[in-house]
Amino acid sequence: DADVTQTPRNRITKTGKRIMLECSQTKGHDRMYWYRQDPGLGLRLIYYSFDVKDINKGEISDGYSVSRQAQAKFSLSLESAIPNQTALYFCAVGGTGNTIYFGEGSWLTVV
Amino acid sequence: GENVEQHPSTLSVQEGDSAVIKCTYSDSASNYFPWYKQELGKRPQLIIDIRSNVGEKKDQRIAVTLNKTAKHFSLHITETQPEDSAVYFCAATLSGNTPLVFGKGTRLSVIA
Repeated sequence: DADVTQTPRNRITKTGKRIMLECSQTKGHDRMYWYRQDPGLGLRLIYYSFDVKDINKGEISDGYSVSRQAQAKFSLSLESAIPNQTALYFCAVGGTGNTIYFGEGSWLTVV
Repeated sequence: GENVEQHPSTLSVQEGDSAVIKCTYSDSASNYFPWYKQELGKRPQLIIDIRSNVGEKKDQRIAVTLNKTAKHFSLHITETQPEDSAVYFCAATLSGNTPLVFGKGTRLSVIA
């Protein structure tokens, strides 16, 4: 495991509110990812970063933004949350070998 | 870009029987194929992976096979046990600067 910490683990927020999910890791991996999991839809990539100055959109980036504040930190923001963003969000980290390791997940409910 | 199809979406087997989950990928250049297991309420965890220079890889009761010509790979679990019950995800990517693309998952239930 790559010691990936996600905060908060659970959050309920209202429609239109800004919410930030944070991810940190202790193993010095360069690559960090945000995935979203919905029942029956698997794991879909939102954004990824291969180093501090590198940010890339994934399959479903609309409505999300990210910030790579340091090698160890990668945060995901929902500027104006909407109910269909209710999901389980996973941060993941990895090296150049393509294997990735997931954090414990953050449950987000938008009401 | 890469697209990964995974079948079946649900699978029930009797304890002790074998289970097979199949995935197909679209990009013939993909060369790394991991499998993740996600137990209820937990994070996905890597259980086995294979690279395109290998046709089969085994680790105790689990094995993965790769057919590059047909662009599909499979997870085989033998002598299934109740603790094998979980959602399994396959994924594919071209090693280097492309992220993993995941299948939609297979919910495996092992019935005691």
